[in-house]
Amino acid sequence: AQSVTQLGSHVSVSEGALVLLRCNYSSSVPPYLFWYVQYPNQGLQLLLKYTSAATLVKGINGFEAEFKKSETSFHLTKPSAHMSDAAEYFCAVTPSGGYNKLIFGAGTRLAVHP
Amino acid sequence: EPEVTQTPSHQVTQMGQEVILRCVPISNHLYFYWYRQILGQKVEFLVSFYNNEISEKSEIFDDQFSVERPDGSNFTLKIRSTKLEDSAMYFCASSEFQVSNTEAFFGQGTRLTVV
Repeated sequence: AQSVTQLGSHVSVSEGALVLLRCNYSSSVPPYLFWYVQYPNQGLQLLLKYTSAATLVKGINGFEAEFKKSETSFHLTKPSAHMSDAAEYFCAVTPSGGYNKLIFGAGTRLAVHP
Repeated sequence: EPEVTQTPSHQVTQMGQEVILRCVPISNHLYFYWYRQILGQKVEFLVSFYNNEISEKSEIFDDQFSVERPDGSNFTLKIRSTKLEDSAMYFCASSEFQVSNTEAFFGQGTRLTVV
C-alpha cells in the first residue's frame, strides 16, 4: 500500500532561515503528491501538488517542492521563513490506479522564532 | 472565497450515543469526503461520495458509520453508536473533480470527544 513518511514531527527555524520539511513516499509508480498546510483552528489548505509535469513545483506563500524519483522524496522548502509560516504541514499522496483519496503523512509542526 | 463549512466545531457525546457531523461543501463541487485525525496520529481517509453514493470507503468506515447528502447542500457523517476510540477531529472536504486533477478543499474540522 502506498504511504508517505514525514521526517520530524516538529521543526523549528529562525525567521529568515531556510525551511526544509521532509517527505518520502512509497509507491511502485509515480504518484500524485501534495503538500497541505493547516493554520491553527483552520482546515487543510493546499500549498502545492505534483502531477508528473515539472519536477520542481511552486506553490503559494513562496513554498516549493521537488519531486525526486530516485530518492522517492518530495521535500518542501522555502528560502526564508516568516513568522506567519508557523503551522502544521502535511504531505499526501493519491494512490495510482484511479483512486480518489489522499493518504496523509503524520504532519510536521513548523515553529518560527524571531 | 468559497469554503467548506462544518458544524459544530466541537461536539462532546456519551459513549453509545449517535452523532451527526454536518458539512456544507462548496456549491459546484461534485465529490465529497470525510477524513479523521485521532490526536497525535495521521489524517486518515474515511469515505468518498459521488453522484449520491459512496464511491470508496476505508476499513475504518464500518457499519457504525454512514454518510448522506440529504438536501443537495449538506453532507453529513453519522456515527450510530459512538465509542471512545471515535474521539478525533473529523474533516469534511469537497472537490470539483477527482483529487488528482483538482484541489480538495477542507473544512476547519469538528472535534468529536466521546466520554
